[in-house]
Amino acid sequence: NAGVTQTPKFQVLKTGQSMTLQCAQDMNHNSMYWYRQDPGMGLRLIYYSASEGTTDKGEVPNGYNVSRLNKREFSLRLESAAPSQTSVYFCASTGTSSYNEQFFGPGTRLTVL
Amino acid sequence: EDQVTQSPEALRLQEGESSSLNCSYTVSGLRGLFWYRQDPGKGPEFLFTLYSAGEEKEKERLKATLTKKESFLHITAPKPEDSATYLCAVQAHNFNKFYFGSGTKLNVKP
Repeated sequence: NAGVTQTPKFQVLKTGQSMTLQCAQDMNHNSMYWYRQDPGMGLRLIYYSASEGTTDKGEVPNGYNVSRLNKREFSLRLESAAPSQTSVYFCASTGTSSYNEQFFGPGTRLTVL
Repeated sequence: EDQVTQSPEALRLQEGESSSLNCSYTVSGLRGLFWYRQDPGKGPEFLFTLYSAGEEKEKERLKATLTKKESFLHITAPKPEDSATYLCAVQAHNFNKFYFGSGTKLNVKP
């Protein structure tokens, strides 16, 4: 099992450009999450999907959109990138039990110039 | 407001020097408290889950404990390979939301 995979690993964008971050998990998990991690601020939830076909806003959703394509895949889209979106982005998933821990991907380091 | 605070922000220890990391939380309806280890350039890696006050869990040199307001991660006789950032997270009454602290960066010198 690959666990949680993310692409790309690194990306540099110019202000106003758009891009989609991809995430996939092969653990048959129901819930998937997108976080951003900034120095000194910990992980902040952007969006989550409790199950296929549903998505909900987290703590910092502005400037982002998500798609739960199927049970395996959950993508994060930046429609018009801004320098404030420079960050490391992590995708995570949890198992079928509501009390399960999260499994994280390796992250995408995004720089917006 | 649900909140998680970790202290200290950074901790430097000599190899073999035991210490504790703190995670204090305010959350409406705690469902679970999680500890993760994060190495530079990688995603967080799960260590422990604690569900109720008084619970303790151990793994090698690490021991996690939970009270009604805080959790401690005790590190006994640490080694340089224990150097990492340790993250604490709580799962609130909304099962699908997790709140993370900003982490404690541990550096163990040989």
